[in-house]
Amino acid sequence: ETGVTQSPTHLIKTRGQQVTLRCSSQSGHNTVSWYQQALGQGPQFIFQYYREEENGRGNFPPRFSGLQFPNYSSELNVNALELDDSALYLCASSLQETQYFGPGTRLLVL
Amino acid sequence: DAKTTQPPSMDCAEGRAANLPCNHSTISGNEYVYWYRQIHSQGPQYIIHGLKNNETNEMASLIITEDRKSSTLILPHATLRDTAVYYCIIPNFGNEKLTFGTGTRLTIIP
Repeated sequence: ETGVTQSPTHLIKTRGQQVTLRCSSQSGHNTVSWYQQALGQGPQFIFQYYREEENGRGNFPPRFSGLQFPNYSSELNVNALELDDSALYLCASSLQETQYFGPGTRLLVL
Repeated sequence: DAKTTQPPSMDCAEGRAANLPCNHSTISGNEYVYWYRQIHSQGPQYIIHGLKNNETNEMASLIITEDRKSSTLILPHATLRDTAVYYCIIPNFGNEKLTFGTGTRLTIIP
C-alpha cells in the first residue's frame, strides 16, 4: 500500500463527454504526476503538479487538464472524450525523487 | 531521459534468484537508476533505486556496474507473486517525469 488513492476505480463514458478523475496523495507529498496507460503499453506521462502549479507536461493535447489543491490532492480532467482515451489513468505522488503510484482509474470510452 | 534496454521476457523457477538486466549506456553522472514493477492491471510499484553503489532493501538488491552503464535487479527468492512487468527507468534530473519503456515480463514458474 502506497497511501495513494484514486477514484473512481472504473468509469464508462461516451465520446464527446467530459470526465474528472481524482487522486489523493500520500501524506506530506507535495508533487503529483498523472500517467495514461493504454492496453499493452507502458504508462505515458501526462503532466505533473508541484504545489498547485503545473511543473511539466507530456505530449497530450490541451483537452487534458489538471488541478492540484492546497491539501495536494489532484484532479485530471479530460474534455471531448475520444475512443483512444480509453486507458488506465494513474497518479503518482512524491516528496523528493521517488514516485509512488495509486491503483489507477480504468476509463472506457464508447 | 537516458534510454534503457531490457530483455522483453524472462522466466525464473520459483524459489530461485531472478536476475533482471538493464543497459543504460547514456546515463549521466547525477542520474539515478530506478526499478518499478507492474502486476497485471495494478499501478506500478516502486522497488528500489541507486546512484552508483549497490543497494538492498526488503524487496530486492540492485547491482550497478562500476561504469554505471548497466545494472541488475535481483529478487533473491522469487515467488509466484513476483510475476510482473519490471521497468528499469532513468528519470531526468529533477524527476519531472518517468519514461516507461516496454520493460521485462518476468514469469515465475512453479
